[in-house]
Amino acid sequence: DVKVTQSSRYLVKRTGEKVFLECVQDMDHENMFWYRQDPGLGLRLIYFSYDVKMKEKGDIPEGYSVSREKKERFSLILESASTNQTSMYLCASSRTHQVYEQYFGPGTRLTVT
Amino acid sequence: AQSVSQHNHHVILSEAASLELGCNYSYGGTVNLFWYVQYPGQHLQLLLKYFSGDPLVKGIKGFEAEFIKSKFSFNLRKPSVQWSDTAEYFCAVNPHNAGNMLTFGGGTRLMVKP
Repeated sequence: DVKVTQSSRYLVKRTGEKVFLECVQDMDHENMFWYRQDPGLGLRLIYFSYDVKMKEKGDIPEGYSVSREKKERFSLILESASTNQTSMYLCASSRTHQVYEQYFGPGTRLTVT
Repeated sequence: AQSVSQHNHHVILSEAASLELGCNYSYGGTVNLFWYVQYPGQHLQLLLKYFSGDPLVKGIKGFEAEFIKSKFSFNLRKPSVQWSDTAEYFCAVNPHNAGNMLTFGGGTRLMVKP
């Protein structure tokens, strides 16, 4: 079974803090994704990566950056957290030849106060 | 920009009722289509997918979806729901020229009363 894990299920941070969300997958998938999930808006893609050190902006990259130094790990960084970044963050991964079937982690519920 | 619309945000059904959740998308070209489901406290998981061929696709747990190209729709159906189908359902679209990108709808929360 594909396993995608995220470092925290719940996180509370203060405005202006730097926040790191970590995602690890154990199936040697080439592609990794970060989404945020908000009620009524579904999932919106923040960034994705199709290879180590490669990244592409998604629909809502503002206020976020990412890092992929190893194939299995994809980090989402909030340089200076703001209250409008309070959300559920989902990580996903997929193989290149099955690029559209994405496997999701459990999510990190981030609250910025 | 393309969009995916799920018109029903909340649906409440009794067990054994039939289910149909609507999904419409705005992209005019060739697309791949998906339904994902998120059960309470669980990961988002793939329910079914359409790439090509028979427009009626069957997924897990008795779900099916029909792609109607002329209506830009990919509605999800189940003839008889169970309490265990209580979950949030997301439609997602990938245009063939969009690489790895999926665009998700806003989701539909389904509650099945026992």
